[in-house]
Amino acid sequence: DMKVTQMPRYLIKRMGENVLLECGQDMSHETMYWYRQDPGLGLQLIYISYDVDSNSEGDIPKGYRVSRKKREHFSLILDSAKTNQTSVYFCASSPRTVSYEQYFGPGTRLTVL
Amino acid sequence: AQSVTQPDARVTVSEGASLQLRCKYSYFGTPYLFWYVQYPRQGLQLLLKYYPGDPVVQGVNGFEAEFSKSNSSFHLRKASVHWSDWAVYFCAVSIPGTGSNRLTFGKGTKFSLIP
Repeated sequence: DMKVTQMPRYLIKRMGENVLLECGQDMSHETMYWYRQDPGLGLQLIYISYDVDSNSEGDIPKGYRVSRKKREHFSLILDSAKTNQTSVYFCASSPRTVSYEQYFGPGTRLTVL
Repeated sequence: AQSVTQPDARVTVSEGASLQLRCKYSYFGTPYLFWYVQYPRQGLQLLLKYYPGDPVVQGVNGFEAEFSKSNSSFHLRKASVHWSDWAVYFCAVSIPGTGSNRLTFGKGTKFSLIP
């Protein structure tokens, strides 16, 4: 069963704390993504990773960084979290074929107080 | 750059009624188009996808969508809705040949049923 997992599912942090969101996939997909979802805004792309150590900024990378040291694992890091980073974060993966389909994880709901 | 517009933030119908959710895209060529569904507290799931070919594509659970190049649209339809269809629906576009697999999403349409 193809699957994208995210940990943790819920997280509460204080402003200025560091945040680590983890994503895993068991499909050996080359490409992985991090999005955030806010009410009325749809999904906004934060970063894309094309493979291990091959990452590119998306549309809203400011305040975030990523790490991909294994193909099946992609991390999103918030150094010194801000209240406006309160959101639901989704990870996705896709094979680097012509399908362009993306497979999504269940999301992490982050609250920054 | 490509963009996607879902003009209806919310659509409400009665159970058993038909459904149409609208999607307009902005791109001079023919893109790849997708509809995703998001059930409460879950991630997005692919409903159906369009690659150049037959303009009407069938998806899961009785959904279908029709591509119109002249109207730059990719509307989603279902003949008879059920309570299990209560969800948020996202239209997305991807540009072939760019090698990036990027999707641009609309802001979503929240679909609900009249109790």
